[in-house]
Amino acid sequence: GENVEQHPSTLSVQEGDSAVIKCTYSDSASNYFPWYKQELGKRPQLIIDIRSNVGEKKDQRIAVTLNKTAKHFSLHITETQPEDSAVYFCAANTDKLIFGTGTRLQVFP
Amino acid sequence: NAGVTQTPKFRILKIGQSMTLQCTQDMNHNYMYWYRQDPGMGLKLIYYSVGAGITDKGEVPNGYNVSRSTTEDFPLRLELAAPSQTSVYFCASSPYPGTTSNQPQHFGDGTRLSIL
Repeated sequence: GENVEQHPSTLSVQEGDSAVIKCTYSDSASNYFPWYKQELGKRPQLIIDIRSNVGEKKDQRIAVTLNKTAKHFSLHITETQPEDSAVYFCAANTDKLIFGTGTRLQVFP
Repeated sequence: NAGVTQTPKFRILKIGQSMTLQCTQDMNHNYMYWYRQDPGMGLKLIYYSVGAGITDKGEVPNGYNVSRSTTEDFPLRLELAAPSQTSVYFCASSPYPGTTSNQPQHFGDGTRLSIL
């Protein structure tokens, strides 16, 4: 079955710096790669997703890149702000959506 | 538009007790899911449903049961609560068309369940 690995498990950055979170997947048939943000005690919320027919997608300060050959995809957050502090989960699909174990991002003012 | 609503928000159970976690959505989504999230971990799929009357097992179905009598409701039943079921439970839904795995999922606020 699909296996999704996510790195790093924790990430600390200074406000204004960029943050990058990377995920790898095992099933070459996967075609949908969402990213969720989860604040403490809250529900996961979709922030961006990408499908296998594109290599990059941007939404303001957030971008996701996909390398199908290498089977990895990454989340890029530019000009980080304290409110970006949260746990971020990547996911990849086969017949079901499989989640990574999460990255705790801390943005220090 | 309430989205996905879960009740209760918190519950403490004794070992061996049973309970039902409620989930309802008002977006007319065909697909619904139940996940559990253990501390510091990602989401594990328990059960899912592609429409009223149809349910399927996910990654970790043991100890749980579900039903889907209407499009709106997807309750999760714990029959004999065990300490290993202490977790936060999230219900989610996603629209059709697409498959169960390639559409954005909308999550409820979760139910924090402790088994003592």
